[in-house]
Amino acid sequence: DAGVIQSPRHEVTEMGQEVTLRCKPISGHNSLFWYRQTMMRGLELLIYFNNNVPIDDSGMPEDRFSAKMPNASFSTLKIQPSEPRDSAVYFCASCMGLAVTGELFFGEGSRLTVL
Amino acid sequence: GENVEQHPSTLSVQEGDSAVIKCTYSDSASNYFPWYKQELGKRPQLIIDIRSNVGEKKDQRIAVTLNKTAKHFSLHITETQPEDSAVYFCAAGDSGGGADGLTFGKGTHLIIQP
Repeated sequence: DAGVIQSPRHEVTEMGQEVTLRCKPISGHNSLFWYRQTMMRGLELLIYFNNNVPIDDSGMPEDRFSAKMPNASFSTLKIQPSEPRDSAVYFCASCMGLAVTGELFFGEGSRLTVL
Repeated sequence: GENVEQHPSTLSVQEGDSAVIKCTYSDSASNYFPWYKQELGKRPQLIIDIRSNVGEKKDQRIAVTLNKTAKHFSLHITETQPEDSAVYFCAAGDSGGGADGLTFGKGTHLIIQP
């Protein structure tokens, strides 16, 4: 398996533009997580899906952020409109099971810069 | 929700010396405590984990200890080497079927001085 695949790896955009980040989890994993990493706040959990259903979205900062998982092999995180404070590395991760009972496999991350 | 505090934020040690990173957590329901290592520009990767039914676990040069009563756990790296330089994250979670994901500490930047 190629691991968790994220795209794009880097995105530079202007304030107000829509940003869509994509993730393909490891085949067979039924839990998917979106994390945001910044120097100030570390790794923050944004949203968590299990069997394609959003379980906990309490970490989504505001209505500008939305996430979907239309099937077991694909998820998107969308920011509309984007703001400079959204600049961060966004990680997607997947694992087996309902909660985190073992290793969480991270993708390479998507580095977002909003000008 | 869970709150994980991690100290120190930066740790510099001489090559060959030991390094200790400490974390505390707030939710007594948490029973799974992994440690992730993130090299510069790379993804976080699991290096060791411990569950609440044990107090200590060791894997070669790294070990973790857990004190459930005090709600703290630590990572110990012995005989440090240059390749140990990275950011280390502790985390806490409930593996008992709860809906939460892992809550991470803010990370410790470990620098191994040659």
